[in-house]
Amino acid sequence: ETGVTQTPRHLVMGMTNKKSLKCEQHLGHNAMYWYKQSAKKPLELMFVYSLEERVENNSVPSRFSPECPNSSHLFLHLHTLQPEDSALYLCASSPGTTEKLFFGSGTQLSVL
Amino acid sequence: GESVGLHLPTLSVQEGDNSIINCAYSNSASDYFIWYKQESGKGPQFIIDIRSNMDKRQGQRVTVLLNKTVKHLSLQIAATQPGDSAVYFCAEISGYSTLTFGKGTMLLVSP
Repeated sequence: ETGVTQTPRHLVMGMTNKKSLKCEQHLGHNAMYWYKQSAKKPLELMFVYSLEERVENNSVPSRFSPECPNSSHLFLHLHTLQPEDSALYLCASSPGTTEKLFFGSGTQLSVL
Repeated sequence: GESVGLHLPTLSVQEGDNSIINCAYSNSASDYFIWYKQESGKGPQFIIDIRSNMDKRQGQRVTVLLNKTVKHLSLQIAATQPGDSAVYFCAEISGYSTLTFGKGTMLLVSP
């Protein structure tokens, strides 16, 4: 509906697993983002890509590794996560980095 | 540091009432403000935006008011409907920064 598609919608993983979250935008935007949304906390910006170049990385642990192969696709590779990493991970895109964001529906991640 | 925050965590209204959701911001350099709505199980959805050279903007059943003197933003929803029940976030941008979000207000609409 928003032009930003995230898969999977739900993910359960153990602390030793490796998984990847995928995001695709069909809006022709130049910027893409990963946000983390935990209960009772504001949206936390994790990574920003502009024209496939990472422009912001907000002190995110190295167990989260983003990848932006082109301006329409964004991945978040996960490995050796902790239970406190359980959250809703939202992808967003925007025409430029100072414009309004369009969000996907998110991946609800549970780390056991 | 600079922050964006909301006054009320939960607002309960009756169907048909008008709702007002408030937001305070502290960065006087903020020049672009956005309201998002997030329903359960979905990502935030754009509702309306306003730039700092305006003090009011209207959409369909929604109005955003900006008071730069006291650094306050509000979202007014007319004739609130059960489908308006959601969490509402304000967000701001200053200069070349990316969006900063507030904590959110839960709007509960009872029939």
